[in-house]
Amino acid sequence: DAKTTQPNSMESNEEEPVHLPCNHSTISGTDYIHWYRQLPSQGPEYVIHGLTSNVNNRMASLAIAEDRKSSTLILHRATLRDAAVYYCILRENNNDMRFGAGTRLTVKP
Amino acid sequence: DTEVTQTPKHLVMGMTNKKSLKCEQHMGHRAMYWYKQKAKKPPELMFVYSYEKLSINESVPSRFSPECPNSSLLNLHLHALQPEDSALYLCASSQERVRVGGELFFGEGSRLTVL
Repeated sequence: DAKTTQPNSMESNEEEPVHLPCNHSTISGTDYIHWYRQLPSQGPEYVIHGLTSNVNNRMASLAIAEDRKSSTLILHRATLRDAAVYYCILRENNNDMRFGAGTRLTVKP
Repeated sequence: DTEVTQTPKHLVMGMTNKKSLKCEQHMGHRAMYWYKQKAKKPPELMFVYSYEKLSINESVPSRFSPECPNSSLLNLHLHALQPEDSALYLCASSQERVRVGGELFFGEGSRLTVL
């Protein structure tokens, strides 16, 4: 499986944008980039996914580098509720969702 | 209804007990998953069911026995567990197993303590 590398932890101030990086230098052409997050005492929840183009949804934006070797999850205005562990996962056809270590995001009021 | 419901939320059992964890979804999903999560660690894939058939067993010890009686229900039968099996057990479902862009829906988990 292609692997991802994320910082162990990041801090943000409330109401400011947050950019969560993910490196995936061994990504293959058929790997989709998925982001999930896990709030305290809850199961993981889907955030966003993409293949080549940048993607936006109501929760976040996903910026994918042109060579696809890295991506960035963007939370436009962090709230206290966004404090969670964020997982960047590569998923290719016929492979199941396997989680890496993730980034623990702390949001300060 | 976009929920995956897991019961019980908490379970304490002795090493000689037999118990079961239950997971239910009514989204018409045909793939269901069990994950194990230890404290401060990411979820680890245990089992995958696709169309009620076991597709993946990630070398999980036989003291964990999964069962998928129908497309909405997934059980995890527990027998002769060890204290190191104490963890949060997460169930998830998705529309199809091999839809790469598809989203997994997770339950809140069952927190298991083995004494």
